[in-house]
Amino acid sequence: DTAVSQTPKYLVTQMGNDKSIKCEQNLGHDTMYWYKQDSKKFLKIMFSYNNKELIINETVPNRFSPKSPDKAHLNLHINSLELGDSAVYFCASSHAAGKNIQYFGAGTRLSVL
Amino acid sequence: DQQVKQNSPSLSVQEGRISILNCDYTNSMFDYFLWYKKYPAEGPTFLISISSIKDKNEDGRFTVFLNKSAKHLSLHIVPSQPGDSAVYFCAASANSGGSNYKLTFGKGTLLTVNP
Repeated sequence: DTAVSQTPKYLVTQMGNDKSIKCEQNLGHDTMYWYKQDSKKFLKIMFSYNNKELIINETVPNRFSPKSPDKAHLNLHINSLELGDSAVYFCASSHAAGKNIQYFGAGTRLSVL
Repeated sequence: DQQVKQNSPSLSVQEGRISILNCDYTNSMFDYFLWYKKYPAEGPTFLISISSIKDKNEDGRFTVFLNKSAKHLSLHIVPSQPGDSAVYFCAASANSGGSNYKLTFGKGTLLTVNP
């Protein structure tokens, strides 16, 4: 039973398209995150939500819009995709009391052609 | 501006020997440090952590050492096993307010344990 699940695992699309990546966690956590791992392999935080409220927004273009319908879900919608958006996107979650231990999904590899 | 640095992109050790992975950081506000392990096509999985008030934390074959004055931490794996072969990420956090702790990751070190 996967704790943090992301769909799709792979996403290939054309420049200019709009796409969404879904994330769900069944750990009962109240905080969720999106990270981007670029071609240089750095994992960088993009967003964090706590109880459906946006807490962290790290200088991400406004083409990226996270949406949290409830505590267990944090989806990422990307408008007008660009070549530079190609990366692996990881969703993660944590419990506030867990102090920084974040649990990650398997990642979504996005390729923009 | 890399606040967490893993200067060795790869490390190769023999099965049964010790693996030592190193990590340096620059931000004095970091107060919690973690190591994650990542297999190909999977997400990072938490391995071990240490608070800035400690200098050592041990969990089975894994030990993390923290030298605050040098802004350096290391992960020791002993004895190393072939199943330990993976990319190891060092991560650090500073309380960004409330219950949301932002993790800053290093670039990772690929550990290969040879049978």
